[in-house]
Formats: sequence, C-alpha cells, structure tokens
Amino acid sequence: AQSVTQLDSHVSVSEGTPVLLRCNYSSSYSPSLFWYVQHPNKGLQLLLKYTSAATLVKGINGFEAEFKKSETSFHLTKPSAHMSDAAEYFCGTLSTDSWGKLQFGAGTQVVVTP
Amino acid sequence: DTEVTQTPKHLVMGMTNKKSLKCEQHMGHRAMYWYKQKAKKPPELMFVYSYEKLSINESVPSRFSPECPNSSLLNLHLHALQPEDSALYLCASMRTPGEGGNTIYFGEGSWLTVV
Repeated sequence: AQSVTQLDSHVSVSEGTPVLLRCNYSSSYSPSLFWYVQHPNKGLQLLLKYTSAATLVKGINGFEAEFKKSETSFHLTKPSAHMSDAAEYFCGTLSTDSWGKLQFGAGTQVVVTP
Repeated sequence: DTEVTQTPKHLVMGMTNKKSLKCEQHMGHRAMYWYKQKAKKPPELMFVYSYEKLSINESVPSRFSPECPNSSLLNLHLHALQPEDSALYLCASMRTPGEGGNTIYFGEGSWLTVV
C-alpha cells in the first residue's frame, strides 16, 4: 500500500530564511506525489506534483520539491519564506487503482515570524 | 481553469434538519470526491464517484447520502447529523480515473456546524 509520512508536525521560520518541509513515501511503484497548502479557513491548493517526468519539480509561489528515489523522499523547499507562507502543508500520494484515492500525510504547520 | 465550486460556504443545521452541500466543476473531470476534514487533521476520504457511479464509500454513516446527478455536479445530502459531524467538507475532482499523471483539485470547502 502507498503512504506518505510528514516528518515534522510544526516548522517555525523567520521571514526571508529558507523553508524545508520533509515528506517520505512508501510505494512499490513509481509514485505520484503532491504537495498541497491550506491557508486558514480555506480549501486545499495544489503547490506542485511529481509524476516521474523530472525529479526536481517547480511549483507555485517559489516552492519546489525534489524526488529522491534512493531516500524515498519528496521534500518541499523555498529559498526565502514570506509571511503569506504561514499555513498547513500536506504531502500526498495518489493510488494507482481506478479511483484515484489520495492518501495524505498528517500535515506540517508552518509559522513565519517577522 | 481548475475550479471546483462548493456551496454553501457555511451551513449551520440542527440535528433534525435535512440539508445538502453542492459541488460543481466544469473541467470535464470524470471522478469526483467528498472529503471530511476536522481541525488540525488531514482530509479523510468519504466517497468517490467515477463516471457518475458511486465507486467507493469509505464506510460512511447513512446519514450522509451522496448523489451525482450528472458529470459536473456532486451533492451531499445531510440528515439527522450529530454534533461530531461538524467539520469542513471538501469536494474534489480528477480528470480521468485510472489514468497516470492525474491531479486532484479541491474546492474551498463547506463549513458545517451541527447544533
């Protein structure tokens, strides 16, 4: 079965410093991996996705993630945090069956301090 | 356009009420989903519709009744809910079930409070 594990439940960064959110996956196949962001009282917005085309994936708002098969990781990074990056971030993997079940990690709350 | 539209944004209902949540997408997506999200938790899958047919029911209580009238619409009918059903209900859609390279797009959600 496919699953993802987010290694940090809470990350605090200063504005202008790098952000690293860690996600490990477990899959027998080449996985489809996603990062979503959820701002307070909002729905989920797709940041980026990996579907085996390229190991370094660029997303919206300056975020990117690197797929590392040897480490079974798909960590999300941003060079310089902005106050608007304060939100909950979810890593997810899509099942390979016919129905597309999206399995989420527990989430990482990002706090950005001035 | 990757928009999934949900109405209403907020709903307060009594335990004896009957209400419905509505979801709409015009992207031609053939898979649609209902998720439930409690505070500080990831979304949990409730139902999957594939080509307008109910494909997955994740053991959801019968007081939640999904309906897919056509390929663009998804409803969630609510009846005799409990206070613990208060949550954010998210609708989502995906282009083609079972095809590689898919992406699931979410709506803004409907906040449900059961009193």
